[in-house]
Amino acid sequence: EAGVTQSPRYAVLQEGQAVSFWCDPISGHDTLYWYQQPRDQGPQLLVYFRDEAVIDNSQLPSDRFSAVRPKGTNSTLKIQSAKQGDTATYLCASSRLGGQYFGPGTRLTVL
Amino acid sequence: AQSVTQPDARVTVSEGASLQLRCKYSYFGTPYLFWYVQYPRQGLQLLLKYYPGDPVVQGVNGFEAEFSKSNSSFHLRKASVHWSDWAVYFCAVSMGSGSWQLIFGSGTQLTVMP
Repeated sequence: EAGVTQSPRYAVLQEGQAVSFWCDPISGHDTLYWYQQPRDQGPQLLVYFRDEAVIDNSQLPSDRFSAVRPKGTNSTLKIQSAKQGDTATYLCASSRLGGQYFGPGTRLTVL
Repeated sequence: AQSVTQPDARVTVSEGASLQLRCKYSYFGTPYLFWYVQYPRQGLQLLLKYYPGDPVVQGVNGFEAEFSKSNSSFHLRKASVHWSDWAVYFCAVSMGSGSWQLIFGSGTQLTVMP
């Protein structure tokens, strides 16, 4: 069974640039999560979906971050105008009936 | 509000020695608890999970954890550490059924000395 895949693995931007992260969850997993993990910290939930519906996006900085999962499978997280404070690893996870499985993450550096 | 505290940011043990990584949670109700491991430049891997029932749960690679409601703890243990266990370990709590989102602790960096 293939695990959660993410791309790109690394991204380096100047402040103000936009970036998108892509996630392909484990087949059959109805729930998909996006986390932000700053260096030397634990992951913090940004948003999660069940199928195509957003269940909780209360921690997503809505003025610059957006996330979609249009067909209830793959998902895209986008940062419109990146700031240095967005420097972190962005992790995608999927689950079905509990027990989340994580992808390798995208390490973002904003200069 | 739910929270998880891992009081030890760094732990160093000798290879072959026993290990305990501490985790304290704050949650009103019955928690679902998890331990994840993160190797360098990799995502998180599930080590073990506690669903209400037997307080001692077994995980992969010889890890186990014990849930204590009275102490609000979920400590991770291993009898004999191997050099390949060098990684960051995260404890997490979830409300469970209906909302499986995880609240993570800040992590414990485990260093294994030869």
